[in-house]
Amino acid sequence: GDSVTQMEGPVTLSEEAFLTINCTYTATGYPSLFWYVQYPGEGLQLLLKATKADDKGSNKGFEATYRKETTSFHLEKGSVQVSDSAVYFCALTGTNAGKSTFGDGTTLTVKP
Amino acid sequence: DTAVSQTPKYLVTQMGNDKSIKCEQNLGHDTMYWYKQDSKKFLKIMFSYNNKELIINETVPNRFSPKSPDKAHLNLHINSLELGDSAVYFCASSQGTGVETQYFGPGTRLLVL
Repeated sequence: GDSVTQMEGPVTLSEEAFLTINCTYTATGYPSLFWYVQYPGEGLQLLLKATKADDKGSNKGFEATYRKETTSFHLEKGSVQVSDSAVYFCALTGTNAGKSTFGDGTTLTVKP
Repeated sequence: DTAVSQTPKYLVTQMGNDKSIKCEQNLGHDTMYWYKQDSKKFLKIMFSYNNKELIINETVPNRFSPKSPDKAHLNLHINSLELGDSAVYFCASSQGTGVETQYFGPGTRLLVL
């Protein structure tokens, strides 16, 4: 079945540091890939997505590129802020209609 | 306007009790979901409904019974609550069953004592 493997956390960075959270996947066919973010005490919300190979999703300074050859969708941000502290989930929606598979989440803490 | 809302936000109850969680979405979406998030933040899908029909039913104890009275509502009833049911339960919705973005509710924090 489909699976998503995320870089283990927690990750602690200083403000303005560069962020990478790795995500690789296994799926049949051509899934769509997502990054969701969960702020403390809230539900998940979409951060960015990509629906086909080589697509780049971007939002709020975050970027991720759908790499079919390496089955990866790594999340990057050039300069993190304290307000980026949250849990980040990589997810895919594949050929099993309506079912998304989520990674285990990576907790990011940004210190001033 | 809240897009996906859940009630209650917090639920503390004794083992063996029966409880329900309600979810409503005002986005006009056709598909709704229930997820369980444990204390380590792992997220697992439990159920999904499309146009009031059950389309995903993961390996969940049959003490959990979802009900969708209409497209905008998906409720979760839990019988004979156990300690291991303590978790945060999230409702979500999406336009269809394909690759659409899912919109999540704020969660219901269930604590079973």
